[in-house]
Amino acid sequence: NAGVTQTPKFQVLKTGQSMTLQCAQDMNHNSMYWYRQDPGMGLRLIYYSASEGTTDKGEVPNGYNVSRLNKREFSLRLESAAPSQTSVYFCASMGGAGLGPQPQHFGDGTRLSIL
Amino acid sequence: AQSVAQPEDQVNVAEGNPLTVKCTYSVSGNPYLFWYVQYPNRGLQFLLKYITGDNLVKGSYGFEAEFNKSQTSFHLKKPSALVSDSALYFCAVRDWWQAGTALIFGKGTTLSVSS
Repeated sequence: NAGVTQTPKFQVLKTGQSMTLQCAQDMNHNSMYWYRQDPGMGLRLIYYSASEGTTDKGEVPNGYNVSRLNKREFSLRLESAAPSQTSVYFCASMGGAGLGPQPQHFGDGTRLSIL
Repeated sequence: AQSVAQPEDQVNVAEGNPLTVKCTYSVSGNPYLFWYVQYPNRGLQFLLKYITGDNLVKGSYGFEAEFNKSQTSFHLKKPSALVSDSALYFCAVRDWWQAGTALIFGKGTTLSVSS
């Protein structure tokens, strides 16, 4: 099982450049998420998508945009990268079936460095 | 808003000794609590969750967690630590956002198990 797949795994950008981080899940999950992880700060929610066709802002959305392309794919775009966006980005998905709240499943992350 | 706190940045234990990683929570309503583990250069892996019912929750890799409502705590425990348990551990609580739910994470606790 592939689970949640993120591409690329590593990326170095210059300030002002743009790029899109890709995420795909093969578990037929409705909900998908983008988090960023910074040292000593845990994971913070950037954007989420509760279902195909919907997206909403999380805790730290400034400087980012997202697209829920279909049920499988949820991309994160940096339009004009800034050094403050240097971080590790994680995509996660969550199903709705089962008894009670379900755990999220995470990809292995994209390590993004902005110079 | 919901929140979790992990009061220890690092926990050091000797192999074979019991381990505890602490987490306290602040929620309105019933808490839905999770523990995740992160190994170097990997995504987060789900260990266990508390929804309702028994205060002692058993999870993956021999881990368990004790829910204590009066102390608003959800500590992660293991009777006998292994060197391979060395990793970064996150406590999380489910929170409601405008159009769905997402996890709020603590800042993480690094567990170091020495041989």
